[in-house]
Amino acid sequence: SQQGEEDPQALSIQEGENATMNCSYKTSINNLQWYRQNSGRGLVHLILIRSNEREKHSGRLRVTLDTSKKSSSLLITASRAADTASYFCATVWDSSYKLIFGSGTRLLVRP
Amino acid sequence: GEEVAQTPKHLVRGEGQKAKLYCAPIKGHSYVFWYQQVLKNEFKFLISFQNENVFDETGMPKERFSAKCLPNSPCSLEIQATKLEDSAVYFCASSPPGGWRNEQFFGPGTRLTVL
Repeated sequence: SQQGEEDPQALSIQEGENATMNCSYKTSINNLQWYRQNSGRGLVHLILIRSNEREKHSGRLRVTLDTSKKSSSLLITASRAADTASYFCATVWDSSYKLIFGSGTRLLVRP
Repeated sequence: GEEVAQTPKHLVRGEGQKAKLYCAPIKGHSYVFWYQQVLKNEFKFLISFQNENVFDETGMPKERFSAKCLPNSPCSLEIQATKLEDSAVYFCASSPPGGWRNEQFFGPGTRLTVL
């Protein structure tokens, strides 16, 4: 399977704390993207990092990419209850542009 | 439109019946992708289109699944003779010209339940 792995599978934190999720993948990539899925809803794109980038920020989000280790991390700072969702990393690695998803991390932010 | 639209939201079929799902991509987007999500976590790529042409169909179970994207019509994903294991949420996504450089915009999904 081309699926990547994410850890932890589930994460429970208090509002205001930071949340870190990790993603590992198997092949060389063109870019890596992070998506959020609220329960029963579609995916919302959060951030895209290209293979030649090492770090990217967007608001309270910080993504790092280490292509030598084939891994990425997503940091959400100052979490809010509204951040409760599942987070998926997805890679684009070939000319078909299809996304290969990780297994997801379920984040619960307690008020 | 500004969002990817998918219909219907829910679809219930008896085993062996046909199911047809529809997707209207964002106007101006060149690429359409179909994904299957089983058990709320694993996403599986099914097929993609570049405009009305099949771009990558390596994920399609070809015996029973087919898909089209015709000009001036919503894209469609059809499952002939559904099986219990086809129960899943099917997501459509679209992407602007530029291929791998771009994010994909997802629709809200169609939940297919096969009884």
